[in-house]
Amino acid sequence: GAVVSQHPSRVICKSGTSVKIECRSLDFQATTMFWYRQFPKQSLMLMATSNEGSKATYEQGVEKDKFLINHASLTLSTLTVTSAHPEDSSFYICSAREEGDQPQHFGDGTRLSIL
Amino acid sequence: SQKIEQNSEALNIQEGKTATLTCNYTNYSPAYLQWYRQDPGRGPVFLLLIRENEKEKRKERLKVTFDTTLKQSLFHITASQPADSATYLCASRYSSASKIIFGSGTRLSIRP
Repeated sequence: GAVVSQHPSRVICKSGTSVKIECRSLDFQATTMFWYRQFPKQSLMLMATSNEGSKATYEQGVEKDKFLINHASLTLSTLTVTSAHPEDSSFYICSAREEGDQPQHFGDGTRLSIL
Repeated sequence: SQKIEQNSEALNIQEGKTATLTCNYTNYSPAYLQWYRQDPGRGPVFLLLIRENEKEKRKERLKVTFDTTLKQSLFHITASQPADSATYLCASRYSSASKIIFGSGTRLSIRP
């Protein structure tokens, strides 16, 4: 089955640090990748959609300068949380999808804790 | 606006029974409905996808239906086991190119 690898699984760092999260599709080419944020006991909140080689489309209320997304290849997307603060602490999950009507597959998430 | 709702926040059933979870959508007609399982601290795992021209899909003990008249999808787990306990999310897509919209999830607990 389709596998999406997300790394790191957990990050703890000081306020003001920038954190990069990687998302890779291991056995398929992902024309579209998505980044989500999930708060405890809530559903996934879409932050942005990215297509390979083009700028990401951010959802309303998501700061593009705060959450930098790069989708440089068909198998890799990165999310960089710049100058992270405690309110950015959350569970971040990436997802990838092939062309057409294929389902989205998800990474295992990154638990980000900003002290 | 497009909405997708899972009516039950939590569902508790006895092991061996069939669990039935409901997903309703309003104000649009999705081309696809997908069901995912999410365990605590993990990402969602894809289970089944059903298209608008399909009435039913099965995979082992799982069955999903898509009723475009009722604007509803039902997700069934037969012969439920404690290992089936998790949060189940339904998600819809308007077209093959569009983003998916998630329901809020149903937390299923199977008691031995």
